[in-house]
Amino acid sequence: DGGITQSPKYLFRKEGQNVTLSCEQNLNHDAMYWYRQDPGQGLRLIYYSQIVNDFQKGDIAEGYSVSREKKESFPLTVTSAQKNPTAFYLCATQREGRVGELFFGEGSRLTVL
Amino acid sequence: AQKVTQAQTEISVVEKEDVTLDCVYETRDTTYYLFWYKQPPSGELVFLIRRNSFDEQNEISGRYSWNFQKSTSSFNFTITASQVVDSAVYFCALRRDTGKLIFGQGTTLQVKP
Repeated sequence: DGGITQSPKYLFRKEGQNVTLSCEQNLNHDAMYWYRQDPGQGLRLIYYSQIVNDFQKGDIAEGYSVSREKKESFPLTVTSAQKNPTAFYLCATQREGRVGELFFGEGSRLTVL
Repeated sequence: AQKVTQAQTEISVVEKEDVTLDCVYETRDTTYYLFWYKQPPSGELVFLIRRNSFDEQNEISGRYSWNFQKSTSSFNFTITASQVVDSAVYFCALRRDTGKLIFGQGTTLQVKP
């Protein structure tokens, strides 16, 4: 089945550690997105990529980094520079021509201890 | 400024009741898109509907209906004869002219049996 796989589903890390969240898709979609969800704040865009080897900062990119070396993969690294990394992270894709119609993974919940 | 407001944080209804989720938006764009997404307990958001700013016709899909009114900048979502499976967080979103989505804070709907 086509879809988006995010891993790990739950992740704990100590302060000062970097952590990488995986996002893999087999939908053959060009555009991929990373969102952060906090209680009562909806979703906020971290980074997005319209094509391989290219990506842009979203609204809250500070403390995060991404890469897009393959069409299928868009990993997100939460660095130690991110002040409040505890959150629910969602990866999404968009099919070309389908304005705003995003497909989401099931998310990764990161907790910093 | 571009903004989406979902003033209802949580709504609780009993099964078979009708429920309306409110969404108010702000934008200076003359052309824009509005969306509703559903986030079930599994975590992934599911696309429900997209509405173009030029199309003010109400839409009905089964038990779901949407009322788009440009005069009041609202895009409300009604579930008729609610069911327990409708329990989820619902997000309204606005597509900016940059192509990125702005999400509201979300409304948590609990349908009790």
